[in-house]
Amino acid sequence: EAGVAQSPRYKIIEKRQSVAFWCNPISGHATLYWYQQILGQGPKLLIQFQNNGVVDDSQLPKDRFSAERLKGVDSTLKIQPAKLEDSAVYLCASSSSGTSYEQYFGPGTRLTVT
Amino acid sequence: QKEVEQNSGPLSVPEGAIASLNCTYSDRGSQSFFWYRQYSGKSPELIMFIYSNGDKEDGRFTAQLNKASQYVSLLIRDSQPSDSATYLCAVKSYGYQKVTFGTGTKLQVIP
Repeated sequence: EAGVAQSPRYKIIEKRQSVAFWCNPISGHATLYWYQQILGQGPKLLIQFQNNGVVDDSQLPKDRFSAERLKGVDSTLKIQPAKLEDSAVYLCASSSSGTSYEQYFGPGTRLTVT
Repeated sequence: QKEVEQNSGPLSVPEGAIASLNCTYSDRGSQSFFWYRQYSGKSPELIMFIYSNGDKEDGRFTAQLNKASQYVSLLIRDSQPSDSATYLCAVKSYGYQKVTFGTGTKLQVIP
């Protein structure tokens, strides 16, 4: 079974530029998560989708971050414009539906904003 | 605001010893508890989950849950240098679909 796929793996941009990340979850997983992990900290949930609906986006900085999950499969996370403090690893995870909340993570995208 | 707390460490144990990692949580309604291992520069990997009070064993790993005291722990028996990583505790509250992660405890197993 293929795992969670993410691209790109690394991205370096200047502040005020825009960037987009892509995630493809494990086949059949209804729930998809985007996390931000700053060095030395635990993952912070940005947005959670159940199929193509948003379950939780309370910690998503909506003035600059947006995310979508069209057709309930893959997802994109966008930052526009980027700030220095957005430098982090962006992790995508998925879990199956129902009562299972075990999450499986992709390799992450390391973003550096200069 | 739901909180999950872990000692950031590092926790150093000699090879072959038992490593004990602890996690406390603030929401009494929490119902599902997870332990993830994260190697430096890698993404988190699920190693254990527990839903009921008591112990759950999987190989060298044992998860212990005490809902009355609101803590969950992870024991690693016969610790190996390859166990050196950051261990993240994650908690799901009843009625909420969000899973909240702690900041992680860094474990160092000394050969």
